[in-house]
Amino acid sequence: KQEVTQIPAALSVPEGENLVLNCSFTDSAIYNLQWFRQDPGKGLTSLLLIQSSQREQTSGRLNASLDKSSGRSTLYIAASQPGDSATYLCAVMLLLILTGGGNKLTFGTGTQLKVEL
Amino acid sequence: EAGVAQSPRYKIIEKRQSVAFWCNPISGHATLYWYQQILGQGPKLLIQFQNNGVVDDSQLPKDRFSAERLKGVDSTLKIQPAKLEDSAVYLCASSLAGSKLYEQDFGPGTRLTVT
Repeated sequence: KQEVTQIPAALSVPEGENLVLNCSFTDSAIYNLQWFRQDPGKGLTSLLLIQSSQREQTSGRLNASLDKSSGRSTLYIAASQPGDSATYLCAVMLLLILTGGGNKLTFGTGTQLKVEL
Repeated sequence: EAGVAQSPRYKIIEKRQSVAFWCNPISGHATLYWYQQILGQGPKLLIQFQNNGVVDDSQLPKDRFSAERLKGVDSTLKIQPAKLEDSAVYLCASSLAGSKLYEQDFGPGTRLTVT
């Protein structure tokens, strides 16, 4: 059974700081890994998706890396801003279509980030 | 392009009552998912539909939860009877079957409180 863990559970940083969020998973047979952002009362917004054959993806101030062999991913946020305050979730996808299943996302418990002025 | 729509956004019921949630996926998305997100946890997949057929419902508590997707478009998720532990946000997502990425688009969710 795939288990996904995120550390830390909560993080508070001053504006402008660079930070790293960690995600680890137990089963390396993944199709891809995705980082989401969740704001209170809203759904999930996809930030970055890394295919299993890729090592990293970048979007603006965000950079996500993937090390399948060690079962780890990191999300790097550069020059943090108060608008970055949210819960960040990582999710791994197992592609089970060939065995009659679906494309199942397994989520971590999230890191709640607060960026202070 | 309109996103995934869900209603109601909030619902408060007493235990043992029944409740239903509605989801309208993005037009053309053949795959639809229902997730349950308990406070402080990540979303957990309850059921996945491909058109109007069930692909995965292994984590759906079938004694009280049911879901359908008639005509392969809209979907409803029902809980009957509700328990206190069903208090959660219920998220609907959809994806374009056949896409290489299988990326899921999420709706805003329905927050259920069972008292």
